[in-house]
Amino acid sequence: GALVYQYPRRTICKSGTSMRMECQAVGFQATSVAWYRQSPQKTFELIALSTVNSAIKYEQNFTQEKFPISHPNLSFSSMTVLNAYLEDRGLYLCGATGDANTGQLYFGEGSKLTVL
Amino acid sequence: SQWGEENLQALSIQEGEDVTMNCSYKTYTTVVQWYRQKSGKGPAQLILIRSNEREKRSGRLRATLDTSSQSSSLSITGTLATDTAVYFCATPPSNTNKVVFGTGTRLQVLP
Repeated sequence: GALVYQYPRRTICKSGTSMRMECQAVGFQATSVAWYRQSPQKTFELIALSTVNSAIKYEQNFTQEKFPISHPNLSFSSMTVLNAYLEDRGLYLCGATGDANTGQLYFGEGSKLTVL
Repeated sequence: SQWGEENLQALSIQEGEDVTMNCSYKTYTTVVQWYRQKSGKGPAQLILIRSNEREKRSGRLRATLDTSSQSSSLSITGTLATDTAVYFCATPPSNTNKVVFGTGTRLQVLP
C-alpha cells in the first residue's frame, strides 16, 4: 500500500533557529507533495504545493525564503522552517499524491514544531 | 457543518448511534474527499466522492454530494468508540491540483 513516512515527529527549537523536516513516499510515486501547517484549533493551512518538474507554488503568506522546499525525486521531499518564531508553532504535514485526477493525498504523521 | 472561517465543530454521541457530518464548499469542484484524523496522527482519507455520484458507501460510511448546493455529508452508522477523531472534508478546486480542507468536525464517541 501507499505510505508516507515523515520525520522528525517532534522538534523543540529556540526562537530564531531552524527546523528541517522530511517526507518519504513508499509504494507509489509522489508526483506532487503538498506541505500544510495545522495550528491548534485551526484547519490545514496549505503552505506550498510541489510538483516534480514544475516550480513550487507557495500560498499567500508563505514564502520560499521562510519555508524552502526540496522535491528532488518521486519519493522524497523536505521543507525547512527558517528562523522559527512562536507564530510558526504547529503540526507540519506533508501530503503526497501520485494521482493528479483525484488529488488523493497520503499524509505522513506530521512534524510537531514547538518554539521556545 | 464545516468550511471557511467557521470554528471547529464538535459532536459527542454514544457508541452505537448514527451520526452525520456536513460540509459546504465555496469553489467549484468535481471531487470531495473525507479524511479522518485521530489524535497525534496525520489525516487518512476515508472516502472520495465524485460529482457524478450522489452517494457512495464504504462499510459503515456513507458520503453524499450535492453539487447544486455545493455541499457534502458523511454519515457513520453504528458508531464505535474508535471512530472518535476529527473529520475533514476536502476538495481539489477545479483547474488546480491542490487540496483545500474544511475546518473539521470533532467527533467523540462515548463507550
